[in-house]
Amino acid sequence: EPEVTQTPSHQVTQMGQEVILRCVPISNHLYFYWYRQILGQKVEFLVSFYNNEISEKSEIFDDQFSVERPDGSNFTLKIRSTKLEDSAMYFCASSADFNTDTQYFGPGTRLTVL
Amino acid sequence: DQQVKQNSPSLSVQEGRISILNCDYTNSMFDYFLWYKKYPAEGPTFLISISSIKDKNEDGRFTVFLNKSAKHLSLHIVPSQPGDSAVYFCAASSGYGNKLVFGAGTILRVKS
Repeated sequence: EPEVTQTPSHQVTQMGQEVILRCVPISNHLYFYWYRQILGQKVEFLVSFYNNEISEKSEIFDDQFSVERPDGSNFTLKIRSTKLEDSAMYFCASSADFNTDTQYFGPGTRLTVL
Repeated sequence: DQQVKQNSPSLSVQEGRISILNCDYTNSMFDYFLWYKKYPAEGPTFLISISSIKDKNEDGRFTVFLNKSAKHLSLHIVPSQPGDSAVYFCAASSGYGNKLVFGAGTILRVKS
């Protein structure tokens, strides 16, 4: 069964450093998303991406964040200068087509900013 | 952002009995609703969904009911099994490709 994969599973970084979180969405999917969950809080939307451009972003997704689909399979989230409050689980998701809006999630990357 | 609410932080059910998880929403633009199951340190796993044009959708042991007038949906699991023990999230969307808005989750414990 196709699934969304994410690497790394855990990333530890120093405050102010850049991190890149990687995702491989399900291959025939068209929409791609990043969400995050800070410990003890809700899963919250960061950004959606369709047709090689951002379709929606949340208030959290400020200039420190960027997304890219560098090739036909990868989807990346970059945080340019990490802050302590960026520590969270980051989930990538993808959805398929115009008949369903079910989003399928990857296993997540735990980002720890020290 | 309280557009999707799951008011019960936890639920404990005996194996074999029915589990009912509830979810309320406030945004009338939501037209697609999903339930996800999540284990610690893993991503949400899709369980079942329902479109706003329906009031019920069933998949095996899982049934989701939607009451649009009350802006309420529920997930029924019957019979409940110990492997169902997890956090269950309700989520809602207002159209294709749009973001999901999640509830806070309900921890389900199924006792054997």
